[in-house]
Amino acid sequence: SQQGEEDPQALSIQEGENATMNCSYKTSINNLQWYRQNSGRGLVHLILIRSNEREKHSGRLRVTLDTSKKSSSLLITASRAADTASYFCATDGKAAGNKLTFGGGTRVLVKP
Amino acid sequence: SAVISQKPSRDICQRGTSLTIQCQVDSQVTMMFWYRQQPGQSLTLIATANQGSEATYESGFVIDKFPISRPNLTFSTLTVSNLSPEDSSIYLCSVTRTSGVDEQFFGPGTRLTVL
Repeated sequence: SQQGEEDPQALSIQEGENATMNCSYKTSINNLQWYRQNSGRGLVHLILIRSNEREKHSGRLRVTLDTSKKSSSLLITASRAADTASYFCATDGKAAGNKLTFGGGTRVLVKP
Repeated sequence: SAVISQKPSRDICQRGTSLTIQCQVDSQVTMMFWYRQQPGQSLTLIATANQGSEATYESGFVIDKFPISRPNLTFSTLTVSNLSPEDSSIYLCSVTRTSGVDEQFFGPGTRLTVL
């Protein structure tokens, strides 16, 4: 079964609003990564957060990690129509080396 | 980051045939992986491509169905054999530069449709 579960499965917002999605996982991790996928294309790497980090920023993206709750969140601020995509979290388990286990993804629609 | 290309970008194949997908990276990388993404689903790891030796397959994936080659540090192929409609998916290769904690970069994917 997949390591990560994402919530919500789908999200529809207006341009300019913030979008928040959550990822929960089951076992200890080395790091957690967030990816974006536009319409069935390849994945674009967004952010990597290590297990000893609690928060990370990259432009309009903010990622938090709570290892005690085995959860992470991705916040996109001031969303744009171009942010419309599916967002996936992926965990790199301590026992799994570099192998990533992906969550189910959140489909985000940003309406202009 | 690494620039990764995949060929073909898409293909439509007949049941019972095979398709070989190529993954080329613009620089030497340590780890190369192959993933499958079934329609509307997330990604599932098929195998780790090992340079000069047999790939390491995940549970549910076998070499006879998904033979993989990795002759050097910048190139790998995945063959999907004896195709059935259930193999219709996007297949993606990914790489990391190190064997430790590292960002993983993905190719653009190959969209396979099996009739």
